[in-house]
Amino acid sequence: LAKTTQPISMDSYEGQEVNITCSHNNIATNDYITWYQQFPSQGPRFIIQGYKTKVTNEVASLFIPADRKSSTLSLPRVSLSDTAVYYCLVGTYGQNFVFGPGTRLSVLP
Amino acid sequence: GAVVSQHPSRVICKSGTSVKIECRSLDFQATTMFWYRQFPKKSLMLMATSNEGSKATYEQGVEKDKFLINHASLTLSTLTVTSAHPEDSSFYICSASLRTGNEKLFFGSGTQLSVL
Repeated sequence: LAKTTQPISMDSYEGQEVNITCSHNNIATNDYITWYQQFPSQGPRFIIQGYKTKVTNEVASLFIPADRKSSTLSLPRVSLSDTAVYYCLVGTYGQNFVFGPGTRLSVLP
Repeated sequence: GAVVSQHPSRVICKSGTSVKIECRSLDFQATTMFWYRQFPKKSLMLMATSNEGSKATYEQGVEKDKFLINHASLTLSTLTVTSAHPEDSSFYICSASLRTGNEKLFFGSGTQLSVL
């Protein structure tokens, strides 16, 4: 299983764009990259998933370089409600998905 | 998106009793479900993987006799904490795997277990 490394914490201000980068140097050919958001006392929520290049949905964008050894979750114009822990997972079907420590994002007014 | 329902959201029990937590995939069939445990301000720890109709696979260090997992149908998995003790107090989260070309995990809302 590809091990992931993320910053432990980040601070931002409302209205700013936030980019969280995840390193996964030993990602396998069949692995997808998935990001989840978790609020206190709640289960994680799926944000976005990608395999290569760029993926965008109504919530975020995911940038994946050609070598796929890292990925960047981009949250446009964050608000206070985006304060949460963000997890990057790498894997493929049939694997047991192991969570790293995640990135604790604090959005300040 | 896919919905996973987990009940109860909170349970308080006396030491020595057993507690059952249910996890249901409401609008899709989940061949595989996962159970996680989470301590305050810590990441999720995978406890076990359950596949419909077969025995669960437990992670190293997880007592299979204490944490009984049953995955009787494609939409229901249960975790029973047997003879609960205060050290079993934790936040338990289930997830169900949905494969649509690639795989996504959808999570329940979690169960806060407090053992007195």
